[in-house]
Amino acid sequence: DQQVKQNSPSLSVQEGRISILNCDYTNSMFDYFLWYKKYPAEGPTFLISISSIKDKNEDGRFTVFLNKSAKHLSLHIVPSQPGDSAVYFCAASEYNQGGKLIFGQGTELSVKP
Amino acid sequence: DAGVTQSPTHLIKTRGQQVTLRCSPKSGHDTVSWYQQALGQGPQFIFQYYEEEERQRGNFPDRFSGHQFPNYSSELNVNALLLGDSALYLCASSLGQLVNSPLHFGNGTRLTVT
Repeated sequence: DQQVKQNSPSLSVQEGRISILNCDYTNSMFDYFLWYKKYPAEGPTFLISISSIKDKNEDGRFTVFLNKSAKHLSLHIVPSQPGDSAVYFCAASEYNQGGKLIFGQGTELSVKP
Repeated sequence: DAGVTQSPTHLIKTRGQQVTLRCSPKSGHDTVSWYQQALGQGPQFIFQYYEEEERQRGNFPDRFSGHQFPNYSSELNVNALLLGDSALYLCASSLGQLVNSPLHFGNGTRLTVT
Protein backbone atom coordinates (compact mmCIF):
# COMPACT_ATOMS: atom_id res chain seq x y z
CA ASP A 1 0.00 0.00 0.00
CA GLN A 2 1.88 3.04 -1.32
CA GLN A 3 0.67 5.99 0.77
CA VAL A 4 2.89 8.50 -1.03
CA LYS A 5 3.27 8.26 -4.80
CA GLN A 6 5.47 10.02 -7.29
CA ASN A 7 4.17 8.82 -10.61
CA SER A 8 6.90 10.29 -12.78
CA PRO A 9 10.17 8.37 -12.43
CA SER A 10 12.03 10.99 -14.43
CA LEU A 11 11.76 14.56 -15.71
CA SER A 12 13.97 16.46 -18.14
CA VAL A 13 13.96 20.27 -18.23
CA GLN A 14 15.97 22.95 -20.01
CA GLU A 15 18.16 25.22 -17.89
CA GLY A 16 16.32 28.40 -16.91
CA ARG A 17 12.86 26.89 -17.31
CA ILE A 18 10.50 25.76 -14.56
CA SER A 19 10.68 22.24 -13.11
CA ILE A 20 7.47 20.88 -11.61
CA LEU A 21 7.62 17.69 -9.57
CA ASN A 22 4.39 16.09 -8.41
CA CYS A 23 3.39 13.92 -5.48
CA ASP A 24 0.09 12.33 -4.44
CA TYR A 25 -0.85 10.85 -1.07
CA THR A 26 -3.70 8.75 0.25
CA ASN A 27 -3.50 9.08 4.04
CA SER A 28 -5.71 11.95 5.25
CA MET A 29 -3.87 11.88 8.62
CA PHE A 30 -0.72 13.29 7.03
CA ASP A 31 -0.25 16.87 8.18
CA TYR A 32 3.37 17.64 7.36
CA PHE A 33 5.06 17.29 3.98
CA LEU A 34 8.67 17.59 2.90
CA TRP A 35 10.83 17.46 -0.20
CA TYR A 36 14.30 15.97 -0.14
CA LYS A 37 16.96 16.01 -2.83
CA LYS A 38 19.45 13.16 -3.26
CA TYR A 39 22.68 13.09 -5.22
CA PRO A 40 24.38 9.74 -5.98
CA ALA A 41 26.45 8.36 -3.08
CA GLU A 42 24.99 10.93 -0.68
CA GLY A 43 22.12 10.87 1.77
CA PRO A 44 18.92 12.83 1.11
CA THR A 45 19.15 16.56 1.83
CA PHE A 46 16.17 18.48 3.20
CA LEU A 47 14.88 21.10 0.74
CA ILE A 48 11.58 22.54 1.87
CA SER A 49 8.53 21.59 3.92
CA ILE A 50 4.91 22.61 4.33
CA SER A 51 2.38 22.14 7.09
CA SER A 52 -1.20 21.16 6.27
CA ILE A 53 -2.46 24.52 7.57
CA LYS A 54 -0.78 26.22 4.59
CA ASP A 55 -1.18 25.82 0.86
CA LYS A 56 2.11 27.36 -0.23
CA ASN A 57 5.63 27.74 1.09
CA GLU A 58 8.48 29.50 -0.68
CA ASP A 59 12.24 29.39 -0.19
CA GLY A 60 14.28 31.10 -2.87
CA ARG A 61 13.90 29.24 -6.15
CA PHE A 62 11.84 26.48 -4.51
CA THR A 63 8.09 26.63 -3.87
CA VAL A 64 5.91 23.84 -2.55
CA PHE A 65 2.16 23.85 -3.17
CA LEU A 66 -0.30 21.74 -1.19
CA ASN A 67 -3.82 20.89 -2.35
CA LYS A 68 -5.40 19.03 0.57
CA SER A 69 -8.70 18.31 -1.14
CA ALA A 70 -6.88 16.60 -4.00
CA LYS A 71 -4.25 15.10 -1.68
CA HIS A 72 -1.61 16.46 -4.00
CA LEU A 73 1.54 18.48 -3.58
CA SER A 74 4.04 19.82 -6.03
CA LEU A 75 7.52 21.31 -5.98
CA HIS A 76 8.33 24.15 -8.37
CA ILE A 77 11.93 25.07 -9.13
CA VAL A 78 12.36 28.37 -10.94
CA PRO A 79 14.69 28.90 -12.69
CA SER A 80 16.10 25.38 -12.99
CA GLN A 81 19.87 25.01 -12.92
CA PRO A 82 22.10 22.07 -13.97
CA GLY A 83 23.12 21.64 -10.32
CA ASP A 84 19.48 20.84 -9.52
CA SER A 85 19.88 17.52 -11.37
CA ALA A 86 19.22 14.89 -8.70
CA VAL A 87 16.55 12.51 -7.42
CA TYR A 88 13.76 14.31 -5.57
CA PHE A 89 11.74 12.56 -2.89
CA CYS A 90 8.42 13.66 -1.52
CA ALA A 91 7.74 12.61 2.10
CA ALA A 92 4.90 12.94 4.59
CA SER A 93 4.24 12.36 8.27
CA GLU A 94 1.32 12.29 10.68
CA TYR A 95 1.00 14.75 13.57
CA ASN A 96 3.83 14.45 16.10
CA GLN A 97 5.43 11.57 14.19
CA GLY A 98 8.04 13.65 12.46
CA GLY A 99 10.67 10.95 12.63
CA LYS A 100 8.48 8.48 10.78
CA LEU A 101 8.49 9.82 7.26
CA ILE A 102 6.70 8.00 4.47
CA PHE A 103 8.59 8.54 1.21
CA GLY A 104 7.56 8.39 -2.41
CA GLN A 105 9.62 6.45 -4.94
CA GLY A 106 11.44 9.54 -6.18
CA THR A 107 11.64 11.50 -9.44
CA GLU A 108 14.96 11.88 -11.20
CA LEU A 109 15.30 15.45 -12.48
CA SER A 110 17.73 16.21 -15.26
CA VAL A 111 18.35 19.89 -16.07
CA LYS A 112 20.07 20.29 -19.43
CA PRO A 113 22.28 23.32 -20.21
CA ASP B 1 29.85 21.39 12.47
CA ALA B 2 29.82 17.63 11.81
CA GLY B 3 26.74 16.26 10.14
CA VAL B 4 25.40 12.75 10.48
CA THR B 5 28.14 10.17 10.09
CA GLN B 6 27.65 6.49 9.37
CA SER B 7 30.04 3.55 9.37
CA PRO B 8 31.00 1.49 7.54
CA THR B 9 30.23 2.91 4.10
CA HIS B 10 30.07 -0.51 2.46
CA LEU B 11 29.65 -4.00 3.83
CA ILE B 12 29.37 -7.46 2.31
CA LYS B 13 27.85 -10.26 4.39
CA THR B 14 26.71 -13.82 3.81
CA ARG B 15 23.12 -14.98 4.21
CA GLY B 16 22.44 -16.00 7.82
CA GLN B 17 25.10 -13.74 9.32
CA GLN B 18 24.54 -10.78 11.60
CA VAL B 19 25.52 -7.16 10.98
CA THR B 20 25.87 -3.98 13.04
CA LEU B 21 25.72 -0.52 11.50
CA ARG B 22 26.69 2.62 13.37
CA CYS B 23 25.53 6.24 13.34
CA SER B 24 26.59 9.47 15.02
CA PRO B 25 23.94 12.19 14.89
CA LYS B 26 24.47 15.79 13.87
CA SER B 27 25.85 17.92 16.68
CA GLY B 28 23.03 19.08 18.94
CA HIS B 29 20.56 16.42 17.80
CA ASP B 30 19.21 13.84 20.22
CA THR B 31 16.95 11.65 18.09
CA VAL B 32 18.04 9.02 15.57
CA SER B 33 15.89 7.33 12.93
CA TRP B 34 16.90 4.47 10.64
CA TYR B 35 15.68 3.89 7.11
CA GLN B 36 16.18 1.16 4.51
CA GLN B 37 16.35 2.17 0.85
CA ALA B 38 16.10 -0.57 -1.74
CA LEU B 39 17.27 0.11 -5.28
CA GLY B 40 14.86 2.36 -7.16
CA GLN B 41 12.66 2.96 -4.12
CA GLY B 42 12.25 5.66 -1.52
CA PRO B 43 13.60 5.16 2.01
CA GLN B 44 11.43 3.02 4.32
CA PHE B 45 11.21 3.78 8.04
CA ILE B 46 12.65 1.08 10.31
CA PHE B 47 12.56 2.71 13.78
CA GLN B 48 13.38 5.79 15.81
CA TYR B 49 15.31 6.17 19.04
CA TYR B 50 14.96 8.96 21.59
CA GLU B 51 16.30 9.03 25.15
CA GLU B 52 17.76 5.56 24.54
CA GLU B 53 14.31 4.09 23.90
CA GLU B 54 12.67 2.89 20.71
CA ARG B 55 9.93 5.49 20.20
CA GLN B 56 8.40 4.41 16.91
CA ARG B 57 8.76 1.35 14.70
CA GLY B 58 7.93 0.66 11.09
CA ASN B 59 6.86 -2.59 9.48
CA PHE B 60 10.11 -4.51 9.90
CA PRO B 61 10.59 -7.94 11.55
CA ASP B 62 12.21 -8.44 14.94
CA ARG B 63 15.45 -9.42 13.18
CA PHE B 64 15.98 -5.66 12.99
CA SER B 65 16.91 -4.19 16.35
CA GLY B 66 18.64 -1.08 17.54
CA HIS B 67 20.20 0.76 20.38
CA GLN B 68 20.88 4.35 21.35
CA PHE B 69 23.74 5.29 23.62
CA PRO B 70 23.89 8.13 26.20
CA ASN B 71 25.89 10.25 23.72
CA TYR B 72 22.92 9.90 21.28
CA SER B 73 24.82 7.70 18.80
CA SER B 74 23.00 4.63 17.60
CA GLU B 75 23.44 1.14 16.22
CA LEU B 76 21.25 -0.90 13.89
CA ASN B 77 21.56 -4.67 14.18
CA VAL B 78 20.19 -7.14 11.67
CA ASN B 79 20.22 -10.86 12.51
CA ALA B 80 19.85 -13.89 10.23
CA LEU B 81 20.51 -11.84 7.10
CA LEU B 82 18.45 -12.54 4.01
CA LEU B 83 19.30 -11.71 0.41
CA GLY B 84 16.42 -9.21 0.49
CA ASP B 85 18.17 -7.21 3.23
CA SER B 86 20.62 -5.92 0.62
CA ALA B 87 20.00 -2.18 0.55
CA LEU B 88 21.28 1.24 1.49
CA TYR B 89 20.74 1.86 5.21
CA LEU B 90 20.29 5.50 6.10
CA CYS B 91 20.52 7.09 9.50
CA ALA B 92 18.85 10.43 10.17
CA SER B 93 18.99 12.70 13.19
CA SER B 94 16.70 15.42 14.49
CA LEU B 95 15.68 17.33 17.62
CA GLY B 96 13.23 15.21 19.54
CA GLN B 97 11.48 18.06 21.32
CA LEU B 98 10.85 20.04 18.17
CA VAL B 99 7.66 18.94 16.44
CA ASN B 100 8.35 18.37 12.75
CA SER B 101 12.08 18.93 13.08
CA PRO B 102 13.44 18.08 9.57
CA LEU B 103 15.55 14.95 9.43
CA HIS B 104 19.22 15.27 8.54
CA PHE B 105 20.51 12.16 6.78
CA GLY B 106 23.91 10.55 6.66
CA ASN B 107 25.37 9.15 3.44
CA GLY B 108 24.33 5.63 4.34
CA THR B 109 25.82 2.16 4.59
CA ARG B 110 25.53 0.00 1.49
CA LEU B 111 24.88 -3.58 2.66
CA THR B 112 25.21 -6.46 0.21
CA VAL B 113 24.09 -9.92 1.30
CA THR B 114 25.38 -12.82 -0.80
